[in-house]
Amino acid sequence: GENVEQHPSTLSVQEGDSAVIKCTYSDSASNYFPWYKQELGKGPQLIIDIRSNVGEKKDQRIAVTLNKTAKHFSLHITETQPEDSAVYFCAASIGGGSQGNLIFGKGTKLSVKP
Amino acid sequence: DSGVTQTPKHLITATGQRVTLRCSPRSGDLSVYWYQQSLDQGLQFLIQYYNGEERAKGNILERFSAQQFPDLHSELNLSSLELGDSALYFCASSVETGGTEAFFGQGTRLTVV
Repeated sequence: GENVEQHPSTLSVQEGDSAVIKCTYSDSASNYFPWYKQELGKGPQLIIDIRSNVGEKKDQRIAVTLNKTAKHFSLHITETQPEDSAVYFCAASIGGGSQGNLIFGKGTKLSVKP
Repeated sequence: DSGVTQTPKHLITATGQRVTLRCSPRSGDLSVYWYQQSLDQGLQFLIQYYNGEERAKGNILERFSAQQFPDLHSELNLSSLELGDSALYFCASSVETGGTEAFFGQGTRLTVV
């Protein structure tokens, strides 16, 4: 079946450093790639997304890149802060048509040390 | 606050029982998705409804069922519960379907004892 691989599963960085999380997907028809941040006891929160007709998107300290040929997409967080500590999930839409459901990676636990 | 409301927040029940989880989507959203989150399986897509009709099915067990009502709220029914059904159940909603922003509720933590 379709799947999304996410690496690394845990990531520890010093405050101010950059963090990069990488994902690969298998469904060639996927055309929407969101990233979610989940804090303890809360639901996943959409932080940024990218569509297949775009190679890169940036929002302040967060950027996402997409390589459709290689079926790779990555999340980049610059100037990390302790409040960035959370579990981050990448996801890919299943099928390019009417379905809106997402398949998620297993998550990356990011720890930002002050 | 995402605007998606799930009730109850916590639920403890015995094996063999049946429970109903409720979701109110964001105002204006027509699509509702249900996901199960467990420690070893991550976020697993269960089922999607769009404007009252079932749109897509994922890894949903036959013991589980869902529906979306005319006012667009949705319910997930879990029956003949087993210990392994203990998990967080999330509802998400989006305006349309086919690759649009989906916003998640805070989840219902189900514990089966």
